Amino acid sequence: EAGVTQFPSHSVIEKGQTVTLRCDPISGHDNLYWYRRVMGKEIKFLLHFVKESKQDESGMPNNRFLAERTGGTYSTLKVQPAELEDSGVYFCASSQDWGGVSYEQYFGPGTRLTVT
Amino acid sequence: AQKITQTQPGMFVQEKEAVTLDCTYDTSDPSYGLFWYKQPSSGEMIFLIYQGSYDQQNATEGRYSLNFQKARKSANLVISASQLGDSAMYFCAMRARFDNQGGKLIFGQGTELSVKP
Repeated sequence: EAGVTQFPSHSVIEKGQTVTLRCDPISGHDNLYWYRRVMGKEIKFLLHFVKESKQDESGMPNNRFLAERTGGTYSTLKVQPAELEDSGVYFCASSQDWGGVSYEQYFGPGTRLTVT
Repeated sequence: AQKITQTQPGMFVQEKEAVTLDCTYDTSDPSYGLFWYKQPSSGEMIFLIYQGSYDQQNATEGRYSLNFQKARKSANLVISASQLGDSAMYFCAMRARFDNQGGKLIFGQGTELSVKP
């Protein structure tokens, strides 16, 4: 079974440009999460999809970030326009369930975004 | 508010020795789960171990064990017989049952463990 995949693995863009990150969850996982780790800080939740619907987007930092999940399969996270403080590693995770506390979220390898 | 604190930015341990990575948490929710993840230099996040707030016994998974002290709100990870491959970043995380719209994880800042030969 393929794990969570993310593309690209690394992106370097200039301030003001647009970048789109992609996440492919494990097949059959309805739940998809985006997290971000800014250098030296904790990993922070951005948002959660259940199928194609946004269940919780309380962690999205501002309206420069737009997440979509077409048809409940893969998800994209677009940053437009990018700012220096957006640099960090963006993780995607997926799970089958979300109603309890014990289920595991499976993480992708992350996309390292560098804004110069 | 929920919070995870990992006070050790970096740790060193000699190969074959045991090491404890500290994690304290804060939540008012009576039902929660605690997780440890490992992130090697390759970048992927690997799930290690889980402890539920109502579990009576400390969780163990191979060389990993979780020293769960509920009254102190601590969930320290113990790695026994360290191996060179254990060198990585380790994250403690929590999920609360009720104060949580969809099961998001709250993470600490991580501890970078280096195993010396």
